[in-house]
Amino acid sequence: EDQVTQSPEALRLQEGESSSLNCSYTVSGLRGLFWYRQDPGKGPEFLFTLYSAGEEKEKERLKATLTKKESFLHITAPKPEDSATYLCAVVGRGGATNKLIFGTGTLLAVQP
Amino acid sequence: GAGVSQSPSNKVTEKGKDVELRCDPISGHTALYWYRQSLGQGLEFLIYFQGNSAPDKSGLPSDRFSAERTGGSVSTLTIQRTQQEDSAVYLCASSTGQGANNQPQHFGDGTRLSIL
Repeated sequence: EDQVTQSPEALRLQEGESSSLNCSYTVSGLRGLFWYRQDPGKGPEFLFTLYSAGEEKEKERLKATLTKKESFLHITAPKPEDSATYLCAVVGRGGATNKLIFGTGTLLAVQP
Repeated sequence: GAGVSQSPSNKVTEKGKDVELRCDPISGHTALYWYRQSLGQGLEFLIYFQGNSAPDKSGLPSDRFSAERTGGSVSTLTIQRTQQEDSAVYLCASSTGQGANNQPQHFGDGTRLSIL
C-alpha cells in the first residue's frame, strides 16, 4: 500500500534559522512527488513536482530534493511569512493512479 | 486568473439532512478531483473525473456519497443522510491532462462542513 510519512509533525524556527522537512514514502513505482503549502482556512498551494531520484527544484527560500525513499524540503533563512503547513504527496504506478496520497504535513512556525 | 472556486465556504447542517457542495474548476482543466480533509488527518481522495471518461469513484467512503460533473466543467458532491463523521473540509482540485501524475493539481479553498 502506498504511504507517505512526514516529519517532524511541528517545527518552530527563529527567523533566519535554516532547517529541513522530511517526507518518507513507500510507493509501487513513483510517478511524481508533490510539495504543497497550506495556510489556515485555505486550500493547498502547489510548490514543486519531483519525478526522479537526484532531482532538485528551487523557489525563493525553498529547495526540494528527492531520493528513492524520501524527499526533503530545505528552508533557507526563513521569514515569518513562511509559516504554514507543508504537505507532501505522491502518485504511484500501481493501484489507483489518479489520486494523490498525502502525508499529514509539517506545521512550521517561524518566529521574528 | 481565476482559480478553483468552491461554494459554500461553510455549511452547517443537522444530522440526516442532505448537502450539496459545488466546485468550479480552472477554465480548460479537464481533470477534477474531490478530497476530504479531516482534523488531524491527511487529505483523503474521494473521486476523480477526466473528460468524458467514467469517473474513478474508488475513494467514496459509502453509498451516501455521490458526485457528478456536468458539461465537463462544474462538479457537485452530494452527501445524503449526513452523519457526524462526515464533518470535514471538502476540497476540490483541477489539473490539465490525464491522471494525477505529472500535472500538478490546483486546489480551491474548500467547503467546511459541520454536522450537528
